[in-house]
Amino acid sequence: KAGVTQTPRYLIKTRGQQVTLSCSPISGHRSVSWYQQTPGQGLQFLFEYFSETQRNKGNFPGRFSGRQFSNSRSEMNVSTLELGDSALYLCASSVGTGETQYFGPGTRLLVL
Amino acid sequence: GQQLNQSPQSMFIQEGEDVSMNCTSSSIFNTWLWYKQEPGEGPVLLIALYKAGELTSNGRLTAQFGITRKDSFLNISASIPSDVGIYFCASMDSNYQLIWGAGTKLIIKP
Repeated sequence: KAGVTQTPRYLIKTRGQQVTLSCSPISGHRSVSWYQQTPGQGLQFLFEYFSETQRNKGNFPGRFSGRQFSNSRSEMNVSTLELGDSALYLCASSVGTGETQYFGPGTRLLVL
Repeated sequence: GQQLNQSPQSMFIQEGEDVSMNCTSSSIFNTWLWYKQEPGEGPVLLIALYKAGELTSNGRLTAQFGITRKDSFLNISASIPSDVGIYFCASMDSNYQLIWGAGTKLIIKP
């Protein structure tokens, strides 16, 4: 089985721009969670989607949004980028909510 | 909010040494997970613990779920160069949301 894939792997944007990141879960997995990881920090939970519905949301501003499609693929969007949004964005998929999460390699975003 | 306190923050060890790291919380959890992250990759699950007192091994790795359900430790025996990376503990809250420690960075001294 193919693992979780994320595109793009690297991205450079400037302040004020917006960005869309994509995640394809493991086949058969219906839950997708997104995390932000900054240097020296643990993973900060952004949101979780299951069957196209947002199930959980972390403490991030409304500039961070996401969605899930009927094939379980998910996208997250960050609008009006700030320098502090520079981070590794990780996506994890699981069979369902509360099940073991398997991570993709992440998208490294640099905001200049 | 809920927090996991992971220590040490980093470890410099000689190849062949045993390693021990732990995670504590002020809250009770029903699940403890240990992940490893290597540069440029996402975290990979090493060991999952679901019962207080549970001791589980995965090769040279051993982890235990504390009897109070507020802590867990991970031991690595006879470390090798490929053990380098960042080890994270994580627990699941009542909303099935993972809460993460800040990580322990393992560095092998040349």
